[in-house]
Amino acid sequence: DVQMTQSPSSLSASVGDRVTITCRSSQRISTYLNWYQQKPGKAPKLLIYAASTLQGGVPSRFSGSGSGTDFALTISNLEPEDFATYYCQQSYSTPPWTFGQGTKVEIK
Amino acid sequence: QVQLVESGGGVVQPGNSLRLSCVASGFTFSSYGMHWVRQSPGKGLEWVAVIWSDVSYKYYADFVKGRFTISRANSKNTLYLQLNDLRADDTGMYYCVRDGYDLILAGLNRFDHWGEGTLVTVAS
Repeated sequence: DVQMTQSPSSLSASVGDRVTITCRSSQRISTYLNWYQQKPGKAPKLLIYAASTLQGGVPSRFSGSGSGTDFALTISNLEPEDFATYYCQQSYSTPPWTFGQGTKVEIK
Repeated sequence: QVQLVESGGGVVQPGNSLRLSCVASGFTFSSYGMHWVRQSPGKGLEWVAVIWSDVSYKYYADFVKGRFTISRANSKNTLYLQLNDLRADDTGMYYCVRDGYDLILAGLNRFDHWGEGTLVTVAS
């Protein structure tokens, strides 16, 4: 199975900050990488698929990059509603579809 | 709009069974692959099983080990997950999830709509 490792596990940031979360896969996965946002008590929400394609309705302050084994999710100009946990997921070598362990973005 | 509503969770003893259901609306259910994903308390996301739109493909996570069965009734817009021989580490929120791509195992699969989940607790 492809293992996904996110860093950091958590971070503190302020409204207006630029935040970057990284995700590394245990083998090359081309650009078959998705990002999800989960708020407490809620289901995850798809933000980005195929490494850099924004899902419909997602604000443009979210962006994704990377290919091969190293990927990043960047939130420019952090808004209050962006404080949540973010997960990466690979869709290259399936099944299974595997997720990273999550990165919690907290208010500083 | 797309809606996925799960039901069937509850508290069960180890070794017992549950059947989860997910009723879909707002889209043509029979055209989409569907997954179950679970999340243990305070932990991350874990893919459980997938069934393709025409039931041509079913795949399971290794930890299922023949205990769970995914099925669907396209005429009823409903997805199911039969959970047998439940263990304490099966405890968690089980989400019904739509696959946003029209081909299975094609790399571009993504989980584009999620239900709110149904909670399964396995305890003696």
